Amino acid sequence: DAGITQSPRHKVTETGTPVTLRCHQTENHRYMYWYRQDPGHGLRLIHYSYGVKDTDKGEVSDGYSVSRSKTEDFLLTLESATSSQTSVYFCAISESLGRADTQYFGPGTRLTVL
Amino acid sequence: DQQVKQNSPSLSVQEGRISILNCDYTNSMFDYFLWYKKYPAEGPTFLISISSIKDKNEDGRFTVFLNKSAKHLSLHIVPSQPGDSAVYFCAASAPRNDYKLSFGAGTTVTVRA
Repeated sequence: DAGITQSPRHKVTETGTPVTLRCHQTENHRYMYWYRQDPGHGLRLIHYSYGVKDTDKGEVSDGYSVSRSKTEDFLLTLESATSSQTSVYFCAISESLGRADTQYFGPGTRLTVL
Repeated sequence: DQQVKQNSPSLSVQEGRISILNCDYTNSMFDYFLWYKKYPAEGPTFLISISSIKDKNEDGRFTVFLNKSAKHLSLHIVPSQPGDSAVYFCAASAPRNDYKLSFGAGTTVTVRA
């Protein structure tokens, strides 16, 4: 199994509060991704990173920001959480952006915004 | 607008029989397709993939078929086992989009003993 951990694994928070989710990898992979999984939508890309301090938006980036100050850590921040951000969040890593470079996923963080 | 669609949310199959999962896509630029399997409370894990230059790829009990003209792919699991009970996601990527993955909504497979 790829060495990917996510913290926290579960979080309940209130609307309007900031939330930061952490993804940590031990594989030294260049690319890291944040997805959210919602019923009826599968996994949707929020943001991704192609190196330290290099990030870009995915298809559902509104309301989220990311940072990557070290190769091994990729942080996802909800500046002011809303109920629509209740979801399961997955981090993924890949060695490169090639066709056959599989993405490996972390165990997920279940976030509930009340 | 979802470019990858799995129109069957669930599938129930008897142990030992064949499971067939279907996936349709709308973006003709997709040239690489993957299936991921997900158990509850775990992250998705890569199962099998196929390039657009092929129409079939096999890996043990799992076979993926690609019909480019119909923009359709399917995953066959033969024979189905209780450990195959999981959610299966179809995904596709395109070189123009840096091979970022577009996922379908998933199909929940239940294998009955």
